[in-house]
Amino acid sequence: GAGVSQSPRYKVAKRGQDVALRCDPISGHVSLFWYQQALGQGPEFLTYFQNEAQLDKSGLPSDRFFAERPEGSVSTLKIQRTQQEDSAVYLCASSPEVNYGYTFGSGTRLTVV
Amino acid sequence: KNEVEQSPQNLTAQEGEFITINCSYSVGISALHWLQQHPGGGIVSLFMLSSGKKKHGRLIATINIQEKHSSLHITASHPRDSAVYICARLNTDKLIFGTGTRLQVFP
Repeated sequence: GAGVSQSPRYKVAKRGQDVALRCDPISGHVSLFWYQQALGQGPEFLTYFQNEAQLDKSGLPSDRFFAERPEGSVSTLKIQRTQQEDSAVYLCASSPEVNYGYTFGSGTRLTVV
Repeated sequence: KNEVEQSPQNLTAQEGEFITINCSYSVGISALHWLQQHPGGGIVSLFMLSSGKKKHGRLIATINIQEKHSSLHITASHPRDSAVYICARLNTDKLIFGTGTRLQVFP
């Protein structure tokens, strides 16, 4: 597609529920990133894929967070047993290669109640 | 302490004013990014620079590698420039973001 597409745009989850957030990067973009942005804060790195390989997951805040990109295109960020502190905007970005320039999606706003 | 510091945190201006947003970082970098985020909207990459100066329309970004400092300037500001401006440094494979500068330009 023309841009990075994320779905759903908004998600309300009850505490303890599992959620799955989808990112459709620009076709052909090798690198894919997930960021978490709390209200009033800058985005914080979660994880990075190059094609289907997850090269860096150092930013995932706990083992409840899991990301995959099985075919090197679409990626899913899964959060198990959601907690209120997981409420944030989850941003996906892709780039043709590292340090080439990034295109961000509009994000998924997750609210855990 | 955040590795990337921005100032000011909030900025208001009258239409037509010259705007400067500053970014300083604490470690050496390979590249610095300036990005724009509109309320409720996605993030748009404005510039990626590793030295000198870049210009795009009314936007100018400069960087001083020795002083670990970058500035984003907006000339002839307009209300549609109202957004959060974020600088981010590249750390190997990921961006480390500043907390952003919220700019409001009034007509």
